[in-house]
Amino acid sequence: AQSVTQLDSQVPVFEEAPVELRCNYSSSVSVYLFWYVQYPNQGLQLLLKYLSGSTLVKGINGFEAEFNKSQTSFHLRKPSVHISDTAEYFCAVSYFGNEKLTFGTGTRLTIIP
Amino acid sequence: EAGVTQFPSHSVIEKGQTVTLRCDPISGHDNLYWYRRVMGKEIKFLLHFVKESKQDESGMPNNRFLAERTGGTYSTLKVQPAELEDSGVYFCASSQERSYNSPLHFGNGTRLTVT
Repeated sequence: AQSVTQLDSQVPVFEEAPVELRCNYSSSVSVYLFWYVQYPNQGLQLLLKYLSGSTLVKGINGFEAEFNKSQTSFHLRKPSVHISDTAEYFCAVSYFGNEKLTFGTGTRLTIIP
Repeated sequence: EAGVTQFPSHSVIEKGQTVTLRCDPISGHDNLYWYRRVMGKEIKFLLHFVKESKQDESGMPNNRFLAERTGGTYSTLKVQPAELEDSGVYFCASSQERSYNSPLHFGNGTRLTVT
């Protein structure tokens, strides 16, 4: 069965510090990978996606993620976080030819001033 | 452009009652998806419409859930009769193309509480 694992349910980080949110997926076939963010009282919005090509993907708001096929990972990183990055972050995967997304359980990022 | 709109934002009903959730996708988006997040767990796929046709309803939990998209515009998701385990946040999303080619635009969700 397809699955996405986000081991960290909550991550507190000091403002201007770097952050990495971890995501691992299970798959033996080609996948597309996504990170979505949900700000308080809002819907989810796409941060970035990996479809093919360069394994380092840059997204909005200074975030980037690296696709590692051998480790089946797609960790999200930002070199310096801001208070406005406080949100819940979801990693998701879709399998080639299948349009539905399989999401992880989410990581709540809290920025400490 | 107006985003994906969901009504109501919150709904509290008693076990055994019926609730209908509505989703208005972005105009022109043929693809409409319903997802659900039960408290603290992952967001799970429910079903996918292409225009008015159900493309994939493999995630629908059981026959107490009925989704429709008459005319290929807005969609409704009816739960009848509601059970306690149906509580959660129901998200609707739409996209112009297949989801991996164009981003999914999510609504703010409907928080359903069954007591």
